[in-house]
Amino acid sequence: KAGVTQTPRYLIKTRGQQVTLSCSPISGHRSVSWYQQTPGQGLQFLFEYFSETQRNKGNFPGRFSGRQFSNSRSEMNVSTLELGDSALYLCASSPPLGTGDEKLFFGSGTQLSVL
Amino acid sequence: GENVEQHPSTLSVQEGDSAVIKCTYSDSASNYFPWYKQELGKRPQLIIDIRSNVGEKKDQRIAVTLNKTAKHFSLHITETQPEDSAVYFCAADAGGATNKLIFGTGTLLAVQP
Repeated sequence: KAGVTQTPRYLIKTRGQQVTLSCSPISGHRSVSWYQQTPGQGLQFLFEYFSETQRNKGNFPGRFSGRQFSNSRSEMNVSTLELGDSALYLCASSPPLGTGDEKLFFGSGTQLSVL
Repeated sequence: GENVEQHPSTLSVQEGDSAVIKCTYSDSASNYFPWYKQELGKRPQLIIDIRSNVGEKKDQRIAVTLNKTAKHFSLHITETQPEDSAVYFCAADAGGATNKLIFGTGTLLAVQP
């Protein structure tokens, strides 16, 4: 069974640009969550999507947005990039309730560098 | 608000010694407490988890304890090996119909051979 796939693996952008990151969940997983990971800050929750609807949202500015498609694939977009947006962006998919305890299966992440 | 505090931020032990990482959480609705191991350049991977109806869970050299009254939970690694060196994150669920996890800030464990 294929794991969570994130593309691209690395990305370099300049301030003011926008970026779109992609995530394909494990087959059968309908929930996709996004986290931002920076050194010393751990993993900060961005948002969660389930059946194409945003189910939960973290405390990030409106420049951060996301969406989910009918095949459960998800994208997140960051507009007007700032230097502080440099981070590892992790996507995680979740199995249906009742199929086990483990809630999040992480992808390898997209390392975004803003210059 | 929701918060998970994790200590220590760094931990250095000799091979064969035990390592203990402690976390506290704030949300009384939390019922699920996973621990993730993240090696350099790799994705976080679940190593053990515990639910609020259980006080302790063990898997070979790894154990987790939970004190729901005090809102504390801890990871115990015995007989540490160099391959245990990594960053460890604790987390607590947000409760309700969501898969959201609130993570601690991580512990860098270094096992000296």
